[in-house]
Amino acid sequence: EAGVAQSPRYKIIEKRQSVAFWCNPISGHATLYWYQQILGQGPKLLIQFQNNGVVDDSQLPKDRFSAERLKGVDSTLKIQPAKLEDSAVYLCASRLAGHNIYEQYFGPGTRLTVT
Amino acid sequence: DAKTTQPPSMDCAEGRAANLPCNHSTISGNEYVYWYRQIHSQGPQYIIHGLKNNETNEMASLIITEDRKSSTLILPHATLRDTAVYYCIVRVGAGSARQLTFGSGTQLTVLP
Repeated sequence: EAGVAQSPRYKIIEKRQSVAFWCNPISGHATLYWYQQILGQGPKLLIQFQNNGVVDDSQLPKDRFSAERLKGVDSTLKIQPAKLEDSAVYLCASRLAGHNIYEQYFGPGTRLTVT
Repeated sequence: DAKTTQPPSMDCAEGRAANLPCNHSTISGNEYVYWYRQIHSQGPQYIIHGLKNNETNEMASLIITEDRKSSTLILPHATLRDTAVYYCIVRVGAGSARQLTFGSGTQLTVLP
């Protein structure tokens, strides 16, 4: 079974530029999560999707971050404009609907550096 | 919301048992304890979870104290591949919006 795929793996941009990350969850997984992991800290949930609907985006900085999952499969996370403090690893995870919360499978992440 | 406290780092000799402690003194009666680990440059990986009984699987054992205020993850025979950050997590929220809240974890270094 293929795992969660993310691209790109690494991205370097200047502050005030825009950037987008892509996630392809495990086939059939209706629940999708985006996390932000700053160096030295644990992952922090940004947004949770159930199919193409948002379940929780309370910790998403909506003035600059946006995410979509139009067809309920792939998802993109965008930052516009980026700030220095957005430098982090962005992790995507997916889970089968109805399965336990711990049954999340994480992708390898995208490491973003904002200069 | 229950919070967890873990030591920032620990060392363990290869082949020996690694015992990783976690304090969760404000845990509620129906909250589970979950353990994940994150190997460098990878996403977190689920290890084990428990409510109040000790649990064991192919990866590790989880010992939860009777008062549930603390727990210990045990890797019985640590290998170099077990070097990772280990997170102790208590479930937060309810319903479809429940989420895992990661702390800073414990960096376990297995030494040859």
